[in-house]
Amino acid sequence: QVQLVESGGGVVQPGRSLRLSCTVSGFTFRSHAMHWVRQAPGKGLEWVAFISYDGSTKYSADSVKGRFTISRDNSKNTLYLQMNSLRAEDTALYYCARDMSTKYTWDSWGQGTLVTVSS
Amino acid sequence: QSALTQPASVSGSPGQSITITCTGTRSDVGGYNFVSWYQQHPGKAPKLMIYGVTNWPSGVSNRFSGSKSGNTASLTISGLQAEDEADYYCTSYTTSSTWVFGGGTKLTVL
Repeated sequence: QVQLVESGGGVVQPGRSLRLSCTVSGFTFRSHAMHWVRQAPGKGLEWVAFISYDGSTKYSADSVKGRFTISRDNSKNTLYLQMNSLRAEDTALYYCARDMSTKYTWDSWGQGTLVTVSS
Repeated sequence: QSALTQPASVSGSPGQSITITCTGTRSDVGGYNFVSWYQQHPGKAPKLMIYGVTNWPSGVSNRFSGSKSGNTASLTISGLQAEDEADYYCTSYTTSSTWVFGGGTKLTVL
């Protein structure tokens, strides 16, 4: 079955960097666009970034633009989120999600990895 | 990009119907038929309930239905059941090639 497993979260000081990974199985990764979505503790969902199936097209939310970079390695079935210049407001559970082709939404999600930005 | 507007909470008794609204702008909800609804139980990942305004993913009960009028989309749950108690989020694709969520609605089944 479709599985998405995030990793790489942890506690990091403001201004530092962290890289999240999302390893997938159960579907043809290279055929699907992918996203990162986050949820601050006790808060709502926030879309973070999109990458096309081949990595040629990327979009990101204004709140992370210039600081976060989405990428993928189709040979490793892995999605990444490089997060630089982290701020307290980036503290959240980060989900990777599979794009539901042509439907502009997400049909499979991981369980998330928690990032805490604190000194 | 401002978040879509949802009521903070709604409630209903078992067997009743409730509707959750999601108001955006012409740049998102009103501009595309790419509104989706997610259900999220505590500690769990979101689950897709409706996509493309009115469509059900495989396995989702037809007690859940979606609609849209202008800049406002709606999710209706009929025949409320205890397991429907959860947070519900709407989301839409936008003219900026981004996605925006609503703030979420907590559904309480009385």
